[in-house]
Amino acid sequence: DAGVTQSPTHLIKTRGQQVTLRCSPKSGHDTVSWYQQALGQGPQFIFQYYEEEERQRGNFPDRFSGHQFPNYSSELNVNALLLGDSALYLCASSSRTYEQYFGPGTRLTVT
Amino acid sequence: AQTVTQSQPEMSVQEAETVTLSCTYDTSENNYYLFWYKQPPSRQMILVIRQEAYKQQNATENRFSVNFQKAAKSFSLKISDSQLGDTAMYFCAFMKPSTGANSKLTFGKGITLSVRP
Repeated sequence: DAGVTQSPTHLIKTRGQQVTLRCSPKSGHDTVSWYQQALGQGPQFIFQYYEEEERQRGNFPDRFSGHQFPNYSSELNVNALLLGDSALYLCASSSRTYEQYFGPGTRLTVT
Repeated sequence: AQTVTQSQPEMSVQEAETVTLSCTYDTSENNYYLFWYKQPPSRQMILVIRQEAYKQQNATENRFSVNFQKAAKSFSLKISDSQLGDTAMYFCAFMKPSTGANSKLTFGKGITLSVRP
């Protein structure tokens, strides 16, 4: 049984560019949450998707958007990248329980 | 809004000894969940232990146990018989329960634990 997978593992972008990160939830899970983790800090909640809709959003600008597909996988899009967007982006999946399972993350570097 | 505070940035412990990591939180909720997550250098966030606020008994998972003091809003993690593989960053996290969706985790800043051989 595959756990939560994320792609790519690492990527480097230039300021002003756009990026798309992908997440496949654990088998049987229908809810996907995205978190941003700056270096040396705890993860910060970005948003959560359930039934292909954004259900809750943290304190992030509209440059951060997402999507959930019918197979429950999800994408995180960030437009007009800033240097401060450099971070580890974590995806977590769950299924109507309090327990969230995390993927290995995508390390984004903005230069 | 809920906040989670981990005031110790780093701790070190000798292999086979016991160490306690501290966490305090602030909430007006009566029903909630608390978690300790471990993040080794591999970056994978792993759930160590969870505690439901309505349960008075402290949770235990093998070498890991918690001291949950609801009135004091304190939630510490005790690691017994520390092993080299316990070296990681540890995060305390809070969740207000809902129907499943809309349940976000609020994390503390984390503490770096080093286990010395």
